[in-house]
Amino acid sequence: EIVLTQSPATLSLSPGERAALSCRASQSVSSNLAWYQQKPGQAPRLLIYDASNRATGIPARFSGSGSGTDFTLTISSLEPEDFAVYYCHQRANWPDSFGQGTNLDIK
Amino acid sequence: QVHLVQSGAEVKRPGASLKVSCKASGYTLTDFAIHWVRQAPGHGLEWVGWISPSDGNTKSSERLQDRLTITGDTSANTAYLELSSLTSDDTAVYFCAREGVRYFLEYWGQGTPVTVSS
Repeated sequence: EIVLTQSPATLSLSPGERAALSCRASQSVSSNLAWYQQKPGQAPRLLIYDASNRATGIPARFSGSGSGTDFTLTISSLEPEDFAVYYCHQRANWPDSFGQGTNLDIK
Repeated sequence: QVHLVQSGAEVKRPGASLKVSCKASGYTLTDFAIHWVRQAPGHGLEWVGWISPSDGNTKSSERLQDRLTITGDTSANTAYLELSSLTSDDTAVYFCAREGVRYFLEYWGQGTPVTVSS
């Protein structure tokens, strides 16, 4: 099973700042990686697929980069509604796997 | 509009079995695969399994495959997750999700909380 390791576990920033979240895979997943945002009591929401493509309706301040084993989700200027938990997800090899999440909270 | 509506919260005794439904609307169930993902209290997301409703093909996580059954009823446009021999470790919110762009999980149900307790 491919293990996805996200860092940092918690990131404390202020609105307007730039956030960079990391996801590292234990073996190459090519570009078969997505990012999701989850708020308390809600289902996850797809943000980025294929490592760098924004899903429908996702604001341009969200961007993804990387391929192989190292990936980054960048939020260029944090809005109050962006404070949430973020997960990466690989579909390159069965079984699917998720990272353990990064909690982005308000400083 | 695509919607996935799941059945309600469940409380089960250890050793019992669970069945959760996921009713799809706004599209035909056979057109897209459905995944199940669970989240234990205070924890992250765990992939549980997948069904291709068009041919009934399924895959499950190795950890759960001996206890897990995923099915689809095309006449009801509904997918189901069944989990047997429940333990307290199965306490979680169970989500169904539909593949969308490039096979990632674009549409999600609201989640079904499941508590296993004696």
